[in-house]
Order: sequence, then C-alpha cells, then structure tokens
Amino acid sequence: SQTIHQWPATLVQPVGSPLSLECTVEGTSNPNLYWYRQAAGRGLQLLFYSVGIGQISSEVPQNLSASRPQDRQFILSSKKLLLSDSGFYLCAWSDWGRSSYGYTFGSGTRLTVV
Amino acid sequence: EDQVTQSPEALRLQEGESSSLNCSYTVSGLRGLFWYRQDPGKGPEFLFTLYSAGEEKEKERLKATLTKKESFLHITAPKPEDSATYLCAAINAGNMLTFGGGTRLMVKP
Repeated sequence: SQTIHQWPATLVQPVGSPLSLECTVEGTSNPNLYWYRQAAGRGLQLLFYSVGIGQISSEVPQNLSASRPQDRQFILSSKKLLLSDSGFYLCAWSDWGRSSYGYTFGSGTRLTVV
Repeated sequence: EDQVTQSPEALRLQEGESSSLNCSYTVSGLRGLFWYRQDPGKGPEFLFTLYSAGEEKEKERLKATLTKKESFLHITAPKPEDSATYLCAAINAGNMLTFGGGTRLMVKP
C-alpha cells in the first residue's frame, strides 16, 4: 500500500533562517507531488506541484522554493524565512487517473517563524 | 477561475441532530468532487469521490451527494467523534484541485 511521510511535525524557526521540509512517498511510482499551505481556519493553498523529477510548477509567487531530486521525494525550502511563512504545510501525492482517491496527504508540518 | 465555496463555516450540533454541509462549485470541466475530513493538527483524510450529478456515496453516518452546481455532505445522527473540519475539493479538466474553505463541525454530547 502507498504511504506518505512528511517531517518534521513541528518546527520553530527564527526570521531569516533557512528552511527545509521533506516529503517521501512509498508504494507508487511517478506520482504527482504537491505542497500546500493552510493558514489557521482557512482552506488549502497550493504552493508547488511536480509531475516528475526536476519538474516544478509554482502557483503563488513567494519566499519559498521546491525541488524534486528523486521520483518519490519532494522538498520545500527557503533561504530566509519571513514571519508570514508561518503556517501548516502539507505534502500530498496523487495518481489521479489510476485511482479514484484524489490526493493523499501527509500528516503536516506546523511551522512557526519567530 | 475555478471556485469552491463551503457553507456554513462552522456548525454546532447536538449529538443525534442530523444536518447537511454544502459545497458549491464553479469548475471548468469538473472531473471529480472530493470530500475530506481533517482533524486538528493533522492532514486531510479522504472520505468520498463523486464523479457525476446524481451520484451518491455513503460511509457510516455520512452521505455525499452531487448536483451540477453543488455537493452536500449529509450527517445522520452525528456523534461527538464526528467533530472535525470537512473539506470539499473539485478537480478540473486540467487535473488541478481547488479546495473550499472547509466547514468546522462540532457535535456536543
């Protein structure tokens, strides 16, 4: 069965520090991968998606970047965090077209920038 | 631009008091409508996929229905453990997913 791992679960970082969040998927090949951000009490905002190794599409201009160095690994990064980067970050994968389950989400990372 | 709107934003129910959550959508070439449950501090958990108007799916006390403009999540005789945020999302012809803002459901014993 397919599983998605996302870490860390919580992170407190000072303004101006770098960021690296990692997400890996097991049990599937060539998944579509996504990074979402969820502000408190709000819906999910798509940040990046990837349909293959090295292929990254950005939905929203921001202080963040994403990379996909391996088929089932997706990384969210920042060189210098801003206070506004605080939020709940979710990684997701999808093989829409091969299954009916839409997107499967990781457990999330709560990022607090102080 | 695709839009998905959920109402109400929050809903308080007494245990056993049935109700419905609404998800209205404007999506270019709808290919699927999803419902998720999200507990505090966790990622959304998949509940249902609906593909076409008139389709219905059930799971325990939940039933999801779909029309050409909206979807409903009916909760029959809810229990406190049904308390969560319920998210709907629509996938368009380009396979892009748009989420609604969610409905926060609180069921009191």
